[in-house]
Amino acid sequence: DQQVKQNSPSLSVQEGRISILNCDYTNSMFDYFLWYKKYPAEGPTFLISISSIKDKNEDGRFTVFLNKSAKHLSLHIVPSQPGDSAVYFCAALSVWSGGSNYKLTFGKGTLLTVNP
Amino acid sequence: DAGVTQSPTHLIKTRGQQVTLRCSPKSGHDTVSWYQQALGQGPQFIFQYYEEEERQRGNFPDRFSGHQFPNYSSELNVNALLLGDSALYLCASSLAGGRGRYTEAFFGQGTRLTVV
Repeated sequence: DQQVKQNSPSLSVQEGRISILNCDYTNSMFDYFLWYKKYPAEGPTFLISISSIKDKNEDGRFTVFLNKSAKHLSLHIVPSQPGDSAVYFCAALSVWSGGSNYKLTFGKGTLLTVNP
Repeated sequence: DAGVTQSPTHLIKTRGQQVTLRCSPKSGHDTVSWYQQALGQGPQFIFQYYEEEERQRGNFPDRFSGHQFPNYSSELNVNALLLGDSALYLCASSLAGGRGRYTEAFFGQGTRLTVV
């Protein structure tokens, strides 16, 4: 039972254009949603997050939008750069016990390729 | 700051054998989580250690066990290895301890385990 779904295995965009990565979830009880970026032979790197009570969070070229009614979030990268080429994972966070216990549930990832 | 370090980086084992993977958390972090990432999948939560105790566990059999030491480092042990245990094993650390909110998890580069 996949609670976090990334339905696009890959996405290709031109440098300078917008990249939009999508993610759907099924559990309304998640506390935060996060995006991680992963290069080959490296661990995932945290990119940006959004609280379940917000609908938008922006950090430089990266913006995450959350639509709670649709159980959908998206990551926008503007403008896209070749160095953004990586696998992007959407993850949902459940937190217990005041933050000492937590669990990340990941999607399968989307491979973003930004062409020069 | 060395970040999260995992050892070894690669490992080949035979079916039925046992394996131990090691993780040193980022300096100042007290919580360690382990994830299994099979090929083409997102990371799957195995378990989390805080204050030397297993606090949360994902849907993994008892063949998967762990330990956290007083210096917060951690080990993941897998007994009776199966071919299906071949995966990238990721360790993530964070600072918890009842702060009341989630703090960012940092991942190591992972250990690539191949079972033959």
